[in-house]
Amino acid sequence: GNSVTQMEGPVTLSEEAFLTINCTYTATGYPSLFWYVQYPGEGLQLLLKATKADDKGSNKGFEATYRKETTSFHLEKGSVQVSDSAVYFCALIRSNFGNEKLTFGTGTRLTIIP
Amino acid sequence: GAVVSQHPSWVICKSGTSVKIECRSLDFQATTMFWYRQFPKQSLMLMATSNEGSKATYEQGVEKDKFLINHASLTLSTLTVTSAHPEDSSFYICSATGGETQYFGPGTRLLVL
Repeated sequence: GNSVTQMEGPVTLSEEAFLTINCTYTATGYPSLFWYVQYPGEGLQLLLKATKADDKGSNKGFEATYRKETTSFHLEKGSVQVSDSAVYFCALIRSNFGNEKLTFGTGTRLTIIP
Repeated sequence: GAVVSQHPSWVICKSGTSVKIECRSLDFQATTMFWYRQFPKQSLMLMATSNEGSKATYEQGVEKDKFLINHASLTLSTLTVTSAHPEDSSFYICSATGGETQYFGPGTRLLVL
């Protein structure tokens, strides 16, 4: 079956540090990959996505590249801010037919210290 | 971008009462909506898949008679927690599929006293 393995947290970094949150997946076929972010007390927001191999998703300074050869979708940001403190979820969906459920990783809590 | 709303955002109720949570897609039609439950500091647990005009598909271990789901239109799905008990206290999140992406609501925090 499908699964997503995420880097365990919590992760604590100083402001302006470089961020990497690892994500690897197992799936049949060609899944679409996502990073969602959850700020305290809120629902999930789509951060970025990639739908095919070698695609790079980017948003708000975050990037992730769909690597089929390593089955990975690592999240990176060159210089984090305090406002980036949140929980980050890697997820995949097997197909784009609209009724497929997302498979989530366990989430990584990120705290940025001023 | 696509917007999904939930109402109410939080609710406190007495044990034994029923609580209805609404999930709406505001600017797109969603044939499929999903209901999740999230415990503190944990990932989302899928409870059920709600399809417009048909019965919901529940995940293993989720009581369908306790968590009633109705998806009466392409923009509205409701989750009713029947005879709620303190162990049902949780954060409930819905999502709606717009194209190839799922968009999430802001969540409903339920506290059962």
